Amino acid sequence: TQLLEQSPQFLSIQEGENLTVYCNSSSVFSSLQWYRQEPGEGPVLLVTVVTGGEVKKLKRLTFQFGDARKDSSLHITAAQPGDTGLYLCAGLNTNAGKSTFGDGTTLTVKP
Amino acid sequence: NAGVMQNPRHLVRRRGQEARLRCSPMKGHSHVYWYRQLPEEGLKFMVYLQKENIIDESGMPKERFSAEFPKEGPSILRIQQVVRGDSAAYFCASSPLRGTTGELFFGEGSRLTVL
Repeated sequence: TQLLEQSPQFLSIQEGENLTVYCNSSSVFSSLQWYRQEPGEGPVLLVTVVTGGEVKKLKRLTFQFGDARKDSSLHITAAQPGDTGLYLCAGLNTNAGKSTFGDGTTLTVKP
Repeated sequence: NAGVMQNPRHLVRRRGQEARLRCSPMKGHSHVYWYRQLPEEGLKFMVYLQKENIIDESGMPKERFSAEFPKEGPSILRIQQVVRGDSAAYFCASSPLRGTTGELFFGEGSRLTVL
């Protein structure tokens, strides 16, 4: 069973601060996705990373895929209250055709 | 709305009753996945289906749970003789092709409460 560990589990910060959340595994993934989920809603895809060492930016969010494709990080610059939510990473096992999800990081950004 | 549609959004059942959750995938998507989520936790894989086929049901409890994706109509997750521990949010996701980038498109979930 492929496991993804996300850290920290909970994070509460003030508006304007920077933060990084992590997604780690001992397994290699074909690709990795980051999703954000708000209360009462389904997860929404933020980004897909495929190549080891890849860095993608989405406005104030920077995503990095580890060189060995086993881990990833999400960095948010100058966090805003609208960034509040549950951030989930998911790794794809191509052979199995299904994605494994981490338990998520619950982010609260206080105004 | 061309997104993944789930219904009902909320369902209340008493212990021993049956729950049926429905999911219509995004247009053009032939792969459906069901996940279960407890409060402040991640998504736990339950089952992966294509039209008329169960591809992987390794996350489904051995008893009381079943899923189908018929040739016509939505995918259905069925829970028989519900117990309180079945209370959770059940999410359906769809994708266009197997083994591509892994991107999933989720519905808004069905929240089951067992009294």
